[in-house]
Amino acid sequence: QVQLQQSGPGLVKPSQTLSLTCAISGDSVSSNSVAWNWLRQSPSRGLEWLGRTYYRSKWFYDYAVSVKGRITINPDTSKNQFSLQLNSVTPEDTAVYYCARVSPAFAYWGQGTLVTVSS
Amino acid sequence: DIVMTQSPDSLAVSLGDRATINCKSSRSLLDNSNNKDHLAWYLQKPGQPPKLLIYWASTRESGVPDRFSGSGSGTDFTLTISSLQAEDVAVYYCHQYDSVPYTFGQGTKLEI
Repeated sequence: QVQLQQSGPGLVKPSQTLSLTCAISGDSVSSNSVAWNWLRQSPSRGLEWLGRTYYRSKWFYDYAVSVKGRITINPDTSKNQFSLQLNSVTPEDTAVYYCARVSPAFAYWGQGTLVTVSS
Repeated sequence: DIVMTQSPDSLAVSLGDRATINCKSSRSLLDNSNNKDHLAWYLQKPGQPPKLLIYWASTRESGVPDRFSGSGSGTDFTLTISSLQAEDVAVYYCHQYDSVPYTFGQGTKLEI
């Protein structure tokens, strides 16, 4: 059974970097048939896809235009996990953040992390 | 980006009655290479991540009760709950995975 366990701080100051990690069990971050995603959910934005990484002989990355330039998703094969970094955060980045596996739809999700951007 | 629009925004249904939620995409989700629509349905309860109910527009995820069914193709889709149970109270979302950026409908709140 695939399980995704999120970790990371729930409070980030404006202009700083939001960092979250998603540890995978029951699957491999290097699997060549799935993709690993970050999404967020807020009352103002609803469910918003942020980006993904996947391995098909090499690593690929796709990011949402709304966060492009500020976002990095990194796989870590040694720890079988992937991470999210979102730079220069503002209060508008306050949301519940989820990691999820797509194959083809989002069947597996992390538990969610409420991240508040506030000084 | 593909825009997903659900209707209605909220719905009140009696226990045992049928509930129907509609979803319209701004572009066809039909993949002509496999004749499948890249459309999924989820339910979400407070404090939990979304739970996958249906994918490929009409394929029920393992363990999902058969009172949940999905239909439609191209740009118009429907989620039907044939006989509403108390545990079905939730917000329901449609989702397109045809192309990135993946997008979701705004959600339909289902109440008893």
